[in-house]
Amino acid sequence: QKEVEQDPGPLSVPEGAIVSLNCTYSNSAFQYFMWYRQYSRKGPELLMYTYSSGNKEDGRFTAQVDKSSKYISLFIRDSQPSDSATYLCAMSTGFQKLVFGTGTRLLVSP
Amino acid sequence: DTEVTQTPKHLVMGMTNKKSLKCEQHMGHRAMYWYKQKAKKPPELMFVYSYEKLSINESVPSRFSPECPNSSLLNLHLHALQPEDSALYLCASSPPGPNSYEQYFGPGTRLTVT
Repeated sequence: QKEVEQDPGPLSVPEGAIVSLNCTYSNSAFQYFMWYRQYSRKGPELLMYTYSSGNKEDGRFTAQVDKSSKYISLFIRDSQPSDSATYLCAMSTGFQKLVFGTGTRLLVSP
Repeated sequence: DTEVTQTPKHLVMGMTNKKSLKCEQHMGHRAMYWYKQKAKKPPELMFVYSYEKLSINESVPSRFSPECPNSSLLNLHLHALQPEDSALYLCASSPPGPNSYEQYFGPGTRLTVT
């Protein structure tokens, strides 16, 4: 079993839809949770980061962490074609090493 | 400013060549990282430098040799690579202290080994 599981997609939605991206994990020592967005042939861009359980909102993006269920989510409201990218979740115990999910490819059609 | 720069953007090298990848950040970050990413896969950690000292080496073959000349610069020296080493090489950095888990990535160097 992988430490972090993420559905590779692709996930196809129409413009304006609410998108839900998810990861599950098995290591209860993870304390820090990140979401990266990666456009094709570019480096990952840090979108959101949260510490422990709870919600964090930034514009159209909301990150949720449920440590009791070992489940994290990223919600994108009013999705745009420019949101089309691969979204990677990443987690850390706090000692520099990130464990990534495989990434979910999101396609937002106009 | 959360910018990490990498040069070159693209590199094609033969199996007998020696080349270097360069990474630079001016955010005052004290940890710097090298990752390798193959198509449709997540980044794989190769090396971590913390306060200019190598702190993590993920059992990377010796044909990859990292160097951290100062707190802003990170190099990856390449020698006698194999075609399977072709990938996107990503540099990242993170701040010192409690936010050290926030890693900021550069755009990458796309390496092709012929």
